Amino acid sequence: KAGVTQTPRYLIKTRGQQVTLSCSPISGHRSVSWYQQTPGQGLQFLFEYFSETQRNKGNFPGRFSGRQFSNSRSEMNVSTLELGDSALYLCASSSPNNEQFFGPGTRLTVL
Amino acid sequence: AQSVSQHNHHVILSEAASLELGCNYSYGGTVNLFWYVQYPGQHLQLLLKYFSGDPLVKGIKGFEAEFIKSKFSFNLRKPSVQWSDTAEYFCAVKTSGAGSYQLTFGKGTKLSVIP
Repeated sequence: KAGVTQTPRYLIKTRGQQVTLSCSPISGHRSVSWYQQTPGQGLQFLFEYFSETQRNKGNFPGRFSGRQFSNSRSEMNVSTLELGDSALYLCASSSPNNEQFFGPGTRLTVL
Repeated sequence: AQSVSQHNHHVILSEAASLELGCNYSYGGTVNLFWYVQYPGQHLQLLLKYFSGDPLVKGIKGFEAEFIKSKFSFNLRKPSVQWSDTAEYFCAVKTSGAGSYQLTFGKGTKLSVIP
């Protein structure tokens, strides 16, 4: 079974721009979660989608948004990028027995 | 809000030494507990998990963890570490309801194993 895939793996943007990250979950997994990983704050939950609906949301500003498609693939969008948004963005898909599997992440650098 | 504390930021051990990494969480309800490992340049991998039953759980690569409910702890152990265990280890708690999935992570512990 293929693992969680994320594209692109690396991104460089400038302040004020927006960015879209993509995640394909493990086949058969319907829940997709997004996390932000930074050296200072560690891993922080952004949001979770299940069957195209946002089921849970972390404590991030409205500039961070996401969506899920009918094939369970998910995208997250960050608008009006700030320097502090530089991070590794991780996507995870959850199995029916509550195990969460992580992708390799997208490394976003905001200049 | 729930939180997860990992007491050691960086642990340095020699090969064959025993390992114990501490993890405490603050949540009084039912929890699912996890340890993840992130090897250099690789993505997070699940080491082991506790949902219910025997509080001593065994994971991959010789790791085990013990859930002590009265202490809100879920410490990770390995009797004899190897150089290949050099990685960052994260404790995580799932406290959201049955209908949703959210993990709260500790800040991580970096383990360096000296040959």
